[in-house]
Amino acid sequence: QIQLVQSGPELKKPGESVKISCKASGYTFTDYAMHWVKQAPGKGLKWMGWINTYTGKPTYADDFKGRFVFSLEASASTANLQISNLKNEDTATYFCARGGFYGSPDYWGQGVMVTVSS
Amino acid sequence: DIQMTQSPSFLSASVGDRVTINCKASQNINKYLNWYQQKLGEAPKLLIYNTNNLQTGIPSRFSGSGSGTDYTLTISSLQPEDVATYFCLQHSSRFTFGSGTKLEIK
Repeated sequence: QIQLVQSGPELKKPGESVKISCKASGYTFTDYAMHWVKQAPGKGLKWMGWINTYTGKPTYADDFKGRFVFSLEASASTANLQISNLKNEDTATYFCARGGFYGSPDYWGQGVMVTVSS
Repeated sequence: DIQMTQSPSFLSASVGDRVTINCKASQNINKYLNWYQQKLGEAPKLLIYNTNNLQTGIPSRFSGSGSGTDYTLTISSLQPEDVATYFCLQHSSRFTFGSGTKLEIK
């Protein structure tokens, strides 16, 4: 069965960096893009961008250009999200999701809670 | 960028009720509209893709309709397990989520 398993919760200080992983199984990793989605506490979903898992080319939404980097370890069927120079407003749950029907998210990881606090 | 306006923000209904949730796009999205259900503390789950296609394993009481800029998710007979927040997503031009509808049982 298709599964996306994400890494564990993170507690970081402002200015630090964090790297979140998303390991896929149950399908051919390079056949589907991978989305990243942010959900701040008690808020809605915000699309951060996606990465073409065949070419490695990332696309970032406007609000996520600069401090956010999508990367791959294709041999391990894993997508990564790195956030640098963390700010309090980066406190959120970050989801990965497979780009399925017409590229839109179908299967989702369980989410990673990142807390940024001094 | 395409904006999505979802309504209502909050909905309270009784078991067995017919429930509708709406999303309006800022421009024609050509039926590239998905619906997701998110239960408390869980990841979103895809219910319907491309306006009216039921994802595998989703109960038939869920249905979708719409065209152009206006789209609707309908639950034909509300069940206790349907308590959740529902989001629409347009994928006609990049991706934009609606703001969500929190559904509770009256």
